[in-house]
Amino acid sequence: GAVVSQHPSRVICKSGTSVKIECRSLDFQATTMFWYRQFPKQSLMLMATSNEGSKATYEQGVEKDKFLINHASLTLSTLTVTSAHPEDSSFYICSARDWQGGIYTEAFFGQGTRLTVV
Amino acid sequence: KQEVTQIPAALSVPEGENLVLNCSFTDSAIYNLQWFRQDPGKGLTSLLLIQSSQREQTSGRLNASLDKSSGRSTLYIAASQPGDSATYLCAVPDFGNEKLTFGTGTRLTIIP
Repeated sequence: GAVVSQHPSRVICKSGTSVKIECRSLDFQATTMFWYRQFPKQSLMLMATSNEGSKATYEQGVEKDKFLINHASLTLSTLTVTSAHPEDSSFYICSARDWQGGIYTEAFFGQGTRLTVV
Repeated sequence: KQEVTQIPAALSVPEGENLVLNCSFTDSAIYNLQWFRQDPGKGLTSLLLIQSSQREQTSGRLNASLDKSSGRSTLYIAASQPGDSATYLCAVPDFGNEKLTFGTGTRLTIIP
């Protein structure tokens, strides 16, 4: 299957600082990338959807100024958690899909990033 | 709004047994259904994608079936191994086939 690389896998930062997480599709062009958040023992919660060259679409309740998403190319999307606070500590996962023949292809996921804000 | 449920929430079986994981969804107008596994602290690994026009898909010891009319999918794992221990998630896309709605997951433990 296709490969989606997410970096870093773990990050610890001080409260008030910003953290950037990268998501790269290594062997296909990702028309659309998705960012999820996962709490312990829970399923994935979609945060936002980003299309290359466009502004991200955020889910209800997700602060767009807190979670900045940039999808500057067909292979790279970044999520920046700004002014991080302990409640932002979580597991963040990106996903990528391509648009081919009028339909979205199979979804592939990154390895996830464990963010701890101290 | 699409709702996806997985039963059971947790399952423990001895190594070598065959097992079935269940996934049900409320809106049968889906493009496809995807099964994933997630190991602790890791991202999701795609296992099988079954299109709405298909009834089943197979990959190795895994077989996924889809019954759109009843809103159900099953993931059959043959001859289970300890390495199969993980959380299994099913997901269906929304009407635009863009966003995925995930099930609640089944945490599978294979006992050596």
